[in-house]
Amino acid sequence: AQKITQTQPGMFVQEKEAVTLDCTYDTSDPSYGLFWYKQPSSGEMIFLIYQGSYDQQNATEGRYSLNFQKARKSANLVISASQLGDSAMYFCAMKNFGNEKLTFGTGTRLTIIP
Amino acid sequence: DAGVTQSPTHLIKTRGQQVTLRCSPKSGHDTVSWYQQALGQGPQFIFQYYEEEERQRGNFPDRFSGHQFPNYSSELNVNALLLGDSALYLCASSQGLAGITDTQYFGPGTRLTVL
Repeated sequence: AQKITQTQPGMFVQEKEAVTLDCTYDTSDPSYGLFWYKQPSSGEMIFLIYQGSYDQQNATEGRYSLNFQKARKSANLVISASQLGDSAMYFCAMKNFGNEKLTFGTGTRLTIIP
Repeated sequence: DAGVTQSPTHLIKTRGQQVTLRCSPKSGHDTVSWYQQALGQGPQFIFQYYEEEERQRGNFPDRFSGHQFPNYSSELNVNALLLGDSALYLCASSQGLAGITDTQYFGPGTRLTVL
């Protein structure tokens, strides 16, 4: 069975600073995908970035990058130059090959301070 | 390019009633998944529909049922509502690639309150 652990329930970061949100995962399958989603107070889950287990390079999407350390089973999200609009809940999720469901962590609430 | 849409946005029901939630997938997507998100928790997978059939189901009782129409839109039905069914119900659509790269895109959700 797969499991996602997010150990930071809340984080406060100064505007324009970089922030790292932690995510560790557990699976016995060699083929899996890791996803990060942002959930503002409105409720919609917004897809941010994807990393496949066989990808050699860390994924990047604009100000978002994923620090993928396969041996440590970690997939931390890095947000560079944080903005006030980055304040939201952030969820790490995983999908195994042949399994259609996304397994989510409990999330990290990020608050950007002006 | 229309994203995933859900209706209604909010719903209040009483215990024992039945409810139907609706979802239209993102343009070009043929697969719909439903998730339940209780307050302060991550979303939990209910089931996924592809080609008008339930492809996979999570750990939810039979009171939760669904349907997918030929235009790929989907409904989630919950019978005999319990107080514990109060949650945000999220619909996600994808291209049905059935692989690890198949990204699911979510709608704004329906917030269900059971009194």
